[in-house]
Amino acid sequence: AQSVTQPDIHITVSEGASLELRCNYSYGATPYLFWYVQSPGQGLQLLLKYFSGDTLVQGIKGFEAEFKRSQSSFNLRKPSVHWSDAAEYFCAVGFNQAGTALIFGKGTTLSVSS
Amino acid sequence: DAGVIQSPRHEVTEMGQEVTLRCKPISGHDYLFWYRQTMMRGLELLIYFNNNVPIDDSGMPEDRFSAKMPNASFSTLKIQPSEPRDSAVYFCASSSIDRSLYEQYFGPGTRLTVT
Repeated sequence: AQSVTQPDIHITVSEGASLELRCNYSYGATPYLFWYVQSPGQGLQLLLKYFSGDTLVQGIKGFEAEFKRSQSSFNLRKPSVHWSDAAEYFCAVGFNQAGTALIFGKGTTLSVSS
Repeated sequence: DAGVIQSPRHEVTEMGQEVTLRCKPISGHDYLFWYRQTMMRGLELLIYFNNNVPIDDSGMPEDRFSAKMPNASFSTLKIQPSEPRDSAVYFCASSSIDRSLYEQYFGPGTRLTVT
């Protein structure tokens, strides 16, 4: 069955430190991959997406993610975290068909310490 | 563009009452999705529409839930009768296959509390 796993429920990072949030999926082919961010009381905002081509994709707010087919992973990274990055991050996967709804991971809550 | 608009932002109701959540998608988008978010289950797809037609409603929990999209600019999600376990944040999202495949834009959500 298709699934998305975010192994880390909660991560705390010091301001200015680097960040990596993990995402793994289970599927027989290459899916479409997304990272969304949700600030408290807000809806989800798209950070970046991967459809095909270059496996390293750049997004908004200084985030990037790398698709690794051999590991079925799409990890989100940021070289230097800011306090405003504290939020919940969701990895999402779309499988094949245009317009198909996304399957979301359970989310990782990021806390930033000063 | 104003983005996806949802109303109300907060709803508190008593068990057994009817609840109607509303959504206005981004103009020109031809897909509309309803999601529910809870601590226990995360984000779950309830139903989605393409060109106002329901495509997949397998995520609708039970017959108490119904959704309609009478036109391209409006959709409702109704719960009748409501139960405390329906308490959650309900999100509406829209997308356009022509502009950006799969990229879904989310509304701010409706926080529903059923007492």
